Amino acid sequence: GAVVSQHPSRVICKSGTSVKIECRSLDFQATTMFWYRQFPKQSLMLMATSNEGSKATYEQGVEKDKFLINHASLTLSTLTVTSAHPEDSSFYICSARTPRLAGGPTDTQYFGPGTRLTVL
Amino acid sequence: AQKITQTQPGMFVQEKEAVTLDCTYDTSDQSYGLFWYKQPSSGEMIFLIYQGSYDEQNATEGRYSLNFQKARKSANLVISASQLGDSAMYFCAMRGFYGGATNKLIFGTGTLLAVQP
Repeated sequence: GAVVSQHPSRVICKSGTSVKIECRSLDFQATTMFWYRQFPKQSLMLMATSNEGSKATYEQGVEKDKFLINHASLTLSTLTVTSAHPEDSSFYICSARTPRLAGGPTDTQYFGPGTRLTVL
Repeated sequence: AQKITQTQPGMFVQEKEAVTLDCTYDTSDQSYGLFWYKQPSSGEMIFLIYQGSYDEQNATEGRYSLNFQKARKSANLVISASQLGDSAMYFCAMRGFYGGATNKLIFGTGTLLAVQP
């Protein structure tokens, strides 16, 4: 299947600092990428939808000024957690939607390996 | 509103046996897709299988098959010949195929599967 990379895989930072997480689609162009957050033993919660060349669409309750999303190219989206606090500690997962292939059933979402953020 | 329900928080299965993971859904969309993902302890979400709402046949991918019952709004995942490496969290997900708010992938709460030797 398609490959999505995410960097870094793990980050520990001090409270008040900003952290940038990169998400790349390695073998396809993704016009739409998604950012999810997952707390321990819970499901994935969609934070925002990122479209190349336009502003991200945030889900209700997600602070757009705290979680800055930039989708600068068809293969790269970044999530910046600004002024991180311990409550922002979580597992952040990006996802990229593949174009629908000719004859294929649908476009499919592939996920990156995730970034575990710990804010001390 | 769309909703995915997975009622089994955890399940055990003996190695080499088959197991069914339940998933029911609710949607007002006429056209939608149902997905299953596997999440091992490493955290990566691995796409397993897809079923379209208008597909007449149940989807199959190797040892995975999807028991799709549209009238009952259920999309259960069947894993045949379980292997130790199948131990993971399994998520059912759904996406509507019209534009707007329903065109997002939403997830159930997951089922933790433990395969016993």
